[in-house]
Amino acid sequence: DVKVTQSSRYLVKRTGEKVFLECVQDMDHENMFWYRQDPGLGLRLIYFSYDVKMKEKGDIPEGYSVSREKKERFSLILESASTNQTSMYLCASNSAGGYRDTQYFGPGTRLTVL
Amino acid sequence: AQSVTQPDIHITVSEGASLELRCNYSYGATPYLFWYVQSPGQGLQLLLKYFSGDTLVQGIKGFEAEFKRSQSSFNLRKPSVHWSDAAEYFCAVGRHTGGGNKLTFGTGTQLKVEL
Repeated sequence: DVKVTQSSRYLVKRTGEKVFLECVQDMDHENMFWYRQDPGLGLRLIYFSYDVKMKEKGDIPEGYSVSREKKERFSLILESASTNQTSMYLCASNSAGGYRDTQYFGPGTRLTVL
Repeated sequence: AQSVTQPDIHITVSEGASLELRCNYSYGATPYLFWYVQSPGQGLQLLLKYFSGDTLVQGIKGFEAEFKRSQSSFNLRKPSVHWSDAAEYFCAVGRHTGGGNKLTFGTGTQLKVEL
């Protein structure tokens, strides 16, 4: 059974803190993604990675960075958290089969920045 | 640029009634279309997807969707809704770029089921 796990379900941080959100997949997928989900806006792509140490900006990369040192792990980094980054963050992965291939999602991390 | 429109933010139906959730897309090439469902507190689960061939696609949990190129639509249907179908539903279009695919999502439709 496919599995994408995220390190925390709920996280509360203070403005200016450095925040790490971790995502691990056990399906040996090449591609991994970070999305942000906000009411009325749906899911928006922050960054994705199609190989170890490879990354590409999505639609809303400002204020975020990512790291992929191992194939199974993809980290989202908020260098200096701000209140407008309070949101639900979803990680996903799929194989290198491309756009035909289903993306599998983790349960999400609800981040609150105070 | 590709986009997805889900015109209904909220829909309420009675249990046992039929359901149709609307999705319109804008994409320059052959679209690859998906419907996902998100139950409260959960991640997204794929219901069904369309790539080519038969325009009526069957999915899990009794859902189906019909691709209509002339209307740029990919509406989701279910003949008889169950209370457990209450969730948020997202339509998405896939596009290939660089080393992998990207999904553009609609803003979602929240489904409420009345008993």
